[in-house]
Amino acid sequence: AQSVTQLGSHVSVSEGALVLLRCNYSSSVPPYLFWYVQYPNQGLQLLLKYTTGATLVKGINGFEAEFKKSETSFHLTKPSAHMSDAAEYFCAVTPDSGGSYIPTFGRGTSLIVHP
Amino acid sequence: DAGITQSPRHKVTETGTPVTLRCHQTENHRYMYWYRQDPGHGLRLIHYSYGVKDTDKGEVSDGYSVSRSKTEDFLLTLESATSSQTSVYFCAIRDSSYEQYFGPGTRLTVT
Repeated sequence: AQSVTQLGSHVSVSEGALVLLRCNYSSSVPPYLFWYVQYPNQGLQLLLKYTTGATLVKGINGFEAEFKKSETSFHLTKPSAHMSDAAEYFCAVTPDSGGSYIPTFGRGTSLIVHP
Repeated sequence: DAGITQSPRHKVTETGTPVTLRCHQTENHRYMYWYRQDPGHGLRLIHYSYGVKDTDKGEVSDGYSVSRSKTEDFLLTLESATSSQTSVYFCAIRDSSYEQYFGPGTRLTVT
């Protein structure tokens, strides 16, 4: 069984400030980890993913995330927020075994960017 | 963009009527998924398919059925729509690296 917890349903930052969106997971097997972004009235699109290898993963639009196995975390960061970053962000985990590879999504964090 | 479309994009229907939503892909991926998205709940898996005629239930499958007679099409049917099924429905496909690609969504309102 696996679960994903995103701390904070809403995160508010000023333009130019650091963005930090938190994601913790539980998984009985090594996971694949993902961050997706959803802009209003659109489907989700991939920001970045961790499968194997380097634990610091860089994605699109200046975002990055670090897989910390000891903390079971995969927090998303961006050094400087832009107005266009305002969106809903979802963390997801897929087990690296078990056959079905069914992903589990967190409940999402809405990022609000103030001018 | 991954070739995945959903139809219709918007639908209003009455309680008790059957509704079918269609997901179409041009990527020839084996795995396809139906999710619903509701405020405060994120994405919840309804059903998924791992091949033609191979489907399985997700966490919120009650009241829904699916069919997949061709690789490219995955249909979601609400046998008798209820107001609790008012939601935004997303279809997704998955590639070999486990990345999912989502359709644009269908906004369903059951009155």
